[in-house]
Amino acid sequence: DARVTQTPRHKVTEMGQEVTMRCQPILGHNTVFWYRQTMMQGLELLAYFRNRAPLDDSGMPKDRFSAEMPDATLATLKIQPSEPRDSAVYFCASGLARTETYEQYFGPGTRLTVT
Amino acid sequence: GENVEQHPSTLSVQEGDSAVIKCTYSDSASNYFPWYKQELGKRPQLIIDIRSNVGEKKDQRIAVTLNKTAKHFSLHITETQPEDSAVYFCAASSGNSGYSTLTFGKGTMLLVSP
Repeated sequence: DARVTQTPRHKVTEMGQEVTMRCQPILGHNTVFWYRQTMMQGLELLAYFRNRAPLDDSGMPKDRFSAEMPDATLATLKIQPSEPRDSAVYFCASGLARTETYEQYFGPGTRLTVT
Repeated sequence: GENVEQHPSTLSVQEGDSAVIKCTYSDSASNYFPWYKQELGKRPQLIIDIRSNVGEKKDQRIAVTLNKTAKHFSLHITETQPEDSAVYFCAASSGNSGYSTLTFGKGTMLLVSP
């Protein structure tokens, strides 16, 4: 049963520190998404990659957030410097884009707390 | 961009009753509508989806209906069980240049009482 994996599962850090979250998409999937989930805003799309190329990062605060795919098995989301308002659950999802629409499968999430 | 509205925000039913969650979307070009179930502290899990070329899809106790003219779609759960208790999210695909992203509703917390 292939699944998206994410590390770390929980992260507590102080304001101003750098945070790096990692995601391993399902083997063979060619799209990766980063979402942020909060009670107030729900699920928000931060970034989207297809075949490792960034296609949409309009939902991401550019001054402090960055997303990359160093290779097909690893996606990273970095926050530098972190702020208390970044506290949320960050989900990675992957999918196989053979047509314009396709299923997305979520990882277990990284629960980030910035104090 | 796409905007998805979901109602109700909370829904309480007795075990065995039916539950209906409704969503509306704004982009008439949207053509894929998945539903996710998220249990407390867990990942969202895809439970059913529908594409714009069909009006209804069923999978055991769950069904989804789509009205493209009115731009709304609904999730129906029959014979609810306590393990159906979770937050349910609807979503609609929106995009351009040949690729799509999902816009999610704010979620419905379903509580099924024994």
